[in-house]
This record gives sequence, structure tokens and C-alpha cells, in this order.
Amino acid sequence: ETGVTQTPRHLVMGMTNKKSLKCEQHLGHNAMYWYKQSAKKPLELMFVYSLEERVENNSVPSRFSPECPNSSHLFLHLHTLQPEDSALYLCASSQESQGPTEAFFGQGTRLTVV
Amino acid sequence: AQKITQTQPGMFVQEKEAVTLDCTYDTSDQSYGLFWYKQPSSGEMIFLIYQGSYDEQNATEGRYSLNFQKARKSANLVISASQLGDSAMYFCAMREGASGTYKYIFGTGTRLKVLA
Repeated sequence: ETGVTQTPRHLVMGMTNKKSLKCEQHLGHNAMYWYKQSAKKPLELMFVYSLEERVENNSVPSRFSPECPNSSHLFLHLHTLQPEDSALYLCASSQESQGPTEAFFGQGTRLTVV
Repeated sequence: AQKITQTQPGMFVQEKEAVTLDCTYDTSDQSYGLFWYKQPSSGEMIFLIYQGSYDEQNATEGRYSLNFQKARKSANLVISASQLGDSAMYFCAMREGASGTYKYIFGTGTRLKVLA
């Protein structure tokens, strides 16, 4: 496999459920990101991991809990979500260096909270 | 304050014509990167083109070119010879910060529709 892979692609969960989103990158990158994309809003940066250390947490509610066990894997653990958390969740990775190092994105997980 | 501003929620262009998608940005960093991404209905974000803040020449990648005006803090995307497959959302993004703390900040996007 190449690039950034996210699973599952679609997820429907109740407000009392616990689920996890998984992201895996096969690019040898050392930084990984979680973004939330809601309708008619900019992509919201949720978490940034650089060298497996969390360097950014943009005031995200504690019902979202990230985990980065190694540089290739990133998880987003979800519990007691709200309907307004329904969105497309995108994972990205990049190589931390100067120059044209774009972020590579997965295809996203479409989350619906019911 | 919005760091990346895309003022065109939607644009139409005739097939084979050129179209410009606007983007302005706001940063106090001296070193930053500007990116354009395409997002088809499938959801994946596809990287199109990059412009570094110190690059003196405008970036080009095939049919894509970036009109970089540093003093105006604008980084408009020009798509030449539009194709039906170009219909998608287009996002302008800025990478700011230093190594170890990079962040990619996105605008609200422009939905482009190419007409046959």
C-alpha cells in the first residue's frame, strides 16, 4: 500500500458509543495530523504529532482523544460524541523540513453521530 | 482572524478556458509555504502546487500555475485549458511555523464547476 490510508471510510455511531479512527502512512513521514471538515467551514486542525509527540491541540473537546504509537500510525479515539461532531475526518502526514513538503491526505472517514 | 481567505464560494468556467481562483493569506512569519489542493466528491485532498515564500518565480505544474504576489499576500491559482474532470472543491493552504511545529491552515474553499 502507498500513501495515507484511513479506516473505516464511513462510520455511524450513537452518542454513547466508543469507536476509533485509524490512519496509516507508508511515506516515511515524521509528522501526522487530524483535521475535521464540516460543511461550509474551513478544515479545522485538531491535532498535530511531530516525531510521535503531540505538538498541537487546538482546544479540541476531550471526547476526542488522539494516539500516535509510532510515526506510521495515528488514531482518533471517540467517545460520547455529539451530533455536531458529524463530519469528514481527514488524516494527513508530511515530512518536517523546509521547502515544498506538502501534506498528503487520506480519503477521510465520514462520521455520522446519531 | 482568518489566515487564509478564499472569497469565491463557487465558480463556473467553460471547458478549455482558463480560470483564476483567488486566495489571500495573513502571516507574520518570514518563511512560509503556500499550497493548493483539489478535493473531488470522493473526499480525498489532492496536492496540486506549492509556492515558497522566498521563491522569486511563480510555481507551475502542468496546467496549474500560481500567481504569487507577496506584497499583496495573494496566491491565486490559475487553471488553464479547463477540463470536465477539474470540477471539484479547491482549497488554498498555508504552512506556517518552524520544523517540529508545522501547521497547515486551510481556507473555506472554492467550488469549481466546468461546463461542457
